[in-house]
Amino acid sequence: QVQLVESGGGLVKSGGSLRLSCAASGFIFSNYYMTWLRQAPGKGLEWVSYISNGGGSSTYYTDSVKGRFTISRDDAKDSLFLQMNSLRAEDTAVYYCARAKGGPFEDWGQGILVTVSS
Amino acid sequence: EIVMTQSPATLSVSPGEGVSLSCRASQSVSTSLAWYQQKPGQAPRLLIYGASTRATGVPARFSASASGTEFTLTISSLQSEDFAVYYCQHYHNWPPSTFGGGTKVEI
Repeated sequence: QVQLVESGGGLVKSGGSLRLSCAASGFIFSNYYMTWLRQAPGKGLEWVSYISNGGGSSTYYTDSVKGRFTISRDDAKDSLFLQMNSLRAEDTAVYYCARAKGGPFEDWGQGILVTVSS
Repeated sequence: EIVMTQSPATLSVSPGEGVSLSCRASQSVSTSLAWYQQKPGQAPRLLIYGASTRATGVPARFSASASGTEFTLTISSLQSEDFAVYYCQHYHNWPPSTFGGGTKVEI
């Protein structure tokens, strides 16, 4: 079955960096768009970033993270990444990786908490 | 940016009752609309895509419809496991994609 497992979260100071990873299994990873989403404590869902399939030639970001976050993928290792730099308190959230079925997000990881302290 | 507005924010219902949740898009999203269910401490689960198609394994008591920019998720007879927060999401010409603020269905 499809599994997505995030790692790399934790506590970081404002201005610091973290790299999230998402290990995928149970499907042909290279065939799928992948995405990162987040959910601030007690808040709703926010789409963060997207990467196209087959090597990831196309990437997109929500405006609030442009220039600070970088999405990438390693199809040989069935892995998705999110490099987060210049972190701010408002980036504090549970981050989810998700497999995109075209547009809707068909499968989600369990999420990983990122806490940015000021 | 397309804004998705869900109403109401909270619905208080009893098991066995039927409920309808609303989602409005600020502009046309065609049928590029999904619904998700999220229980406390869990990741969201895709329920509906294409405005009205149930995802794999979703019970038939969940149905959804669309009329222009208005979308509705209906749960015909609430079971105990259906008490959760429900989000709508558009994916029209995505990325980007945006979610509604959610509707909490509580006892």
